[in-house]
Amino acid sequence: EVQLVETGGGLIQPGGSLRLSCAASGFNVRSSYMNWVRQAPGKGLEWVSIIYRDGSTYYTDSVKGRFTISRDNSKNTLYLQMNSLRAEDTAVYYCARGELYFDCWGQGTLVTVSS
Amino acid sequence: DIVLTQSPDSLAVSLGERATINCKSSHSILYNSNNKNNLAWYQQKPGQPPKLLIYWASTRESGVPDRFSGSESGTEFTLTISSLQAEDVAVYFCQQYFVTPPYTFGQGTKLEIK
Repeated sequence: EVQLVETGGGLIQPGGSLRLSCAASGFNVRSSYMNWVRQAPGKGLEWVSIIYRDGSTYYTDSVKGRFTISRDNSKNTLYLQMNSLRAEDTAVYYCARGELYFDCWGQGTLVTVSS
Repeated sequence: DIVLTQSPDSLAVSLGERATINCKSSHSILYNSNNKNNLAWYQQKPGQPPKLLIYWASTRESGVPDRFSGSESGTEFTLTISSLQAEDVAVYFCQQYFVTPPYTFGQGTKLEIK
């Protein structure tokens, strides 16, 4: 069964750092396009970042220079390192598989940036 | 960036009736190589992640009931639920993958039972 499980969310002060993890099962992250998508409380979906099969990475403008997407093939896990966090980064963060559309999503992990 | 605008923001439909949700793109998202529109639809039930329903504007994902269908006319797209069931209460989002990154979503349409 294809499954994604996110961990690492929590309450963090503005300016702080957090690393999210997304453990995959039933498929290999190294041969997939993997994304992070976030959803602020009561709001819509916002794509955040993607890592291609060849390791290329892309980000939405608001997180460039602050967030880093990566993967560990040996652990079959996707990561999102988030630095210099801001209140507007508060959201549920989902990992999702797909190069074009996203056919598999995790349950999400909540990140709250507040003092 | 391509902007997707959904309408309405919310709607209430009686059980067994037809529900129609619209998504308008600010630009053409037609992929010339396969003559298909690069648009997907997702369903998000309360407390759950989004679920892929339709891609290429009208191709139903495996396991999605056939009461869900997608259609297109130029840069306007429609998700139709032919006979609303109680379990279809959710927020529905469209998403374009023609110009990426960034991938962009519509703002969502909340569907309720009348």
